[in-house]
Amino acid sequence: DGGITQSPKYLFRKEGQNVTLSCEQNLNHDAMYWYRQDPGQGLRLIYYSQIVNDFQKGDIAEGYSVSREKKESFPLTVTSAQKNPTAFYLCASSIMGQGTEAFFGQGTRLTVV
Amino acid sequence: SQELEQSPQSLIVQEGKNLTINCTSSKTLYGLYWYKQKYGEGLIFLMMLQKGGEEKSHEKITAKLDEKKQQSSLHITASQPSHAGIYLCGADIGNQGGKLIFGQGTELSVKP
Repeated sequence: DGGITQSPKYLFRKEGQNVTLSCEQNLNHDAMYWYRQDPGQGLRLIYYSQIVNDFQKGDIAEGYSVSREKKESFPLTVTSAQKNPTAFYLCASSIMGQGTEAFFGQGTRLTVV
Repeated sequence: SQELEQSPQSLIVQEGKNLTINCTSSKTLYGLYWYKQKYGEGLIFLMMLQKGGEEKSHEKITAKLDEKKQQSSLHITASQPSHAGIYLCGADIGNQGGKLIFGQGTELSVKP
């Protein structure tokens, strides 16, 4: 079955450590996205990528990094520079071009301990 | 700044009542999406609207995009506990697509 998979579902990190969240899709989608969700704030765009080997900063990119070496993979690294990393992270993908539905993973809940 | 404004931010209704959630943009929307989310889970696609004046329905949920394509409303008729969750409107604001942003969400609770 085609879909988008995020792993792990839960992740714990010590302060000062970098951590990488995985996002894989087998939908052959060109565009992929990372969002952060905090209570009462909806989804805020961290990074997005429209094509392999290219990505753009979203509204809250500071303290995060991404790579897009393969079409199906868009990992997100939460660095130690991110001051408040505890949040729910969602990955999505879509076909390029307006008017196309985005598909979402089930999310990763990151907790800094 | 929030390019998509949703209102209200939260809503508590009695089962059986109707309700409306609004999504407003300062820019023309070329594609407006409505999603539903259970807290701590991924988003479930509800509907997509593209044309000014367009209206779509799915079961007891109806969404409209106004003629100027700057505002959308989501209406639920005869709400049920199963309608509870977070409703999010989204829009692709990239020049050729590929930049999807969301409003801050509306948390809906339905009291039996």
